[in-house]
Amino acid sequence: DIQMTQSPSSLSASLGDRVTITCRASQSIRTYLHWYQQKPGKAPKLLIYAASSLQSGVPSRFSGSGSGTDFTLTITSLQPEDFATYYCQQGFSLPRTFGQGTKLDMK
Amino acid sequence: QVQLQESGPGLVKPSGTLSLTCAVSGGSISNNNWWIWVRQPPGKGLEWIGEVYHTGTTTLNPSLKGRVSMSVDKSKNELSLRLNSVTAADTAVYYCATLGAIDYQFDSWGQGSPVIVSS
Repeated sequence: DIQMTQSPSSLSASLGDRVTITCRASQSIRTYLHWYQQKPGKAPKLLIYAASSLQSGVPSRFSGSGSGTDFTLTITSLQPEDFATYYCQQGFSLPRTFGQGTKLDMK
Repeated sequence: QVQLQESGPGLVKPSGTLSLTCAVSGGSISNNNWWIWVRQPPGKGLEWIGEVYHTGTTTLNPSLKGRVSMSVDKSKNELSLRLNSVTAADTAVYYCATLGAIDYQFDSWGQGSPVIVSS
């Protein structure tokens, strides 16, 4: 199984900040890497697919980059609705696996 | 874009069978190739359970050791999940979602169905 490791596990930031979350795969997954946002009591929501493609309707302050084993999710100018938990997921091979999550809260 | 709605018993006894359905609206179950199930234990991360093709072919997570099955019912436009021999470790919110055909991302999600395993 491909292991997905996110860092940090938690992150405190302020409104207007730029934040970066990292996801590392245990082997190359090319660009089969996707990012989700989850708020308490809600289903995950797809933000970025194929490492850097913005899902329809997602604000442009979200962006993704990377390939192979190392990936980043960047949020520029944090808004109140961005405080949530973020997960990465690999679609390269079965079983499909997720990172452990990064909880972003307000400083 | 399709909408997904899970439904289930809420409470299942240990050693029993968990059965969930996922109703698909806004499109035919045959229009999306693969459908997936994911679960999330309380306070924990996401686990892929498996995926089912609209023909009924499945790919399942080996970690569930053969306890899981999935199916589709085209006449009802719904998916089904069954998990046998449940324990407290199977307590979770269960989600159905659509699988992207090219990059294998999980595009659209249901709201989730919480299941508690307890006597």
